[in-house]
Amino acid sequence: KNQVEQSPQSLIILEGKNCTLQCNYTVSPFSNLRWYKQDTGRGPVSLTIMTFSENTKSNGRYTATLDADTKQSSLHITASQLSDSASYICVVSASNSGYALNFGKGTSLLVTP
Amino acid sequence: DSGVTQTPKHLITATGQRVTLRCSPRSGDLSVYWYQQSLDQGLQFLIQYYNGEERAKGNILERFSAQQFPDLHSELNLSSLELGDSALYFCASSVEARTGELFFGEGSRLTVL
Repeated sequence: KNQVEQSPQSLIILEGKNCTLQCNYTVSPFSNLRWYKQDTGRGPVSLTIMTFSENTKSNGRYTATLDADTKQSSLHITASQLSDSASYICVVSASNSGYALNFGKGTSLLVTP
Repeated sequence: DSGVTQTPKHLITATGQRVTLRCSPRSGDLSVYWYQQSLDQGLQFLIQYYNGEERAKGNILERFSAQQFPDLHSELNLSSLELGDSALYFCASSVEARTGELFFGEGSRLTVL
């Protein structure tokens, strides 16, 4: 069964600190992996999308890594800001799954002053 | 602004009633997805349409139905509403059915009393 597991479930960090969020998946065969940021009550916004051949991708202070061999991805946030407080969702697509995406439950990040 | 428009933004109704949620995808996007997000839950995939045809089905209840019209807008119909149907309903669109980046609307918040 295709699954996407994210850890930690929630995280609290001080403003200015770095943090790393994890995503492990069993989706196969792999097509692409996406990270989304979802502010409370808002629609998710895409941060990065990576295919099999990409192992690092950056979007400003956000850097995603992908290890397709171990089926793991991480999202690193540098110099966190209060506006980074949100839920971060990992989504994995399989190339033979029809057209459905596999969503993780998200990591809830709170950045405090 | 993702370019995906959802109406209404908020809806309050009673159990047993029927409601229709509407989604206009980004210009040029052929694929429309519907998701349900209950309080503190992850996004649950309901159904996907591509160029007017149903492409994938997730955990969509029989009381729920959807369609995509020739102008590519989509409607999600929820009937015989129950308290547990209270949730945020998101629509997303993409150019391609499987590998395209998803763009989410701001959601329709349904409250069933």
